[in-house]
Amino acid sequence: DIVMTQSPDSLAVSLGERATINCKSTQSVLYNSNNKNYLAWYQQKPGQPPKLLIYWASIRGSGVPDRFSGSGSGTDFTLTISSLQADDVAVYYCHQYYSSHWTFGQGTRLEIK
Amino acid sequence: EVQLVQSGAEVKKPGESLKISCKGSGYIFTSSWIGWVRQMPGKGLEWMGVIYPGDSDTRYSPSFQGQVTISADKSISTAYLQWSTLKASDTAMYYCVRLLPSGGILNAFDIWGQGTMVTVSS
Repeated sequence: DIVMTQSPDSLAVSLGERATINCKSTQSVLYNSNNKNYLAWYQQKPGQPPKLLIYWASIRGSGVPDRFSGSGSGTDFTLTISSLQADDVAVYYCHQYYSSHWTFGQGTRLEIK
Repeated sequence: EVQLVQSGAEVKKPGESLKISCKGSGYIFTSSWIGWVRQMPGKGLEWMGVIYPGDSDTRYSPSFQGQVTISADKSISTAYLQWSTLKASDTAMYYCVRLLPSGGILNAFDIWGQGTMVTVSS
């Protein structure tokens, strides 16, 4: 199975500052035939189910604020929150769907400094 | 509104059986894969399996093959996750998810149910 590793495990950022979360896969999740990266990001707030933030590595999900962006290709990906809001406190997960044995990163806990 | 609504929390004893449900609405239920994801207390997300309600094609994670059964009743737009013999280690939150409708089985999970907490304790 493809192993997804996120860094850091936890992160504290001041309100209004940039937050960056990284995700690395043990093999490429880029399909050469369509040039798409099979990588998604989810946000899970306390007591809630996860919510799709980003898919195809860089496409924002429905209703997701534009302060959230995804980048990267192949094996290395980044989720960036351009200006942290109090509502962004959550655990963030990356997810590969390149293989039908879907796997997730271990999660990154984002807090306010 | 597209949504998945799951059945309520369950408390069971080891060795008992259980079937939880996930009802889809607001979209064509037979046209999107439905999956199940486990989250053990304080832990991360694990994919368990998926089903295509249109033809009941079902795939399981190797970690859960033989441990659970996934099914669907398209006449009532409902998917199920069942156990024949529960263990204490099955204690977890279980989420049903919809795979993005376009692009087939290799897709992100765009809609999540609210979760069903299963507690197995003697």
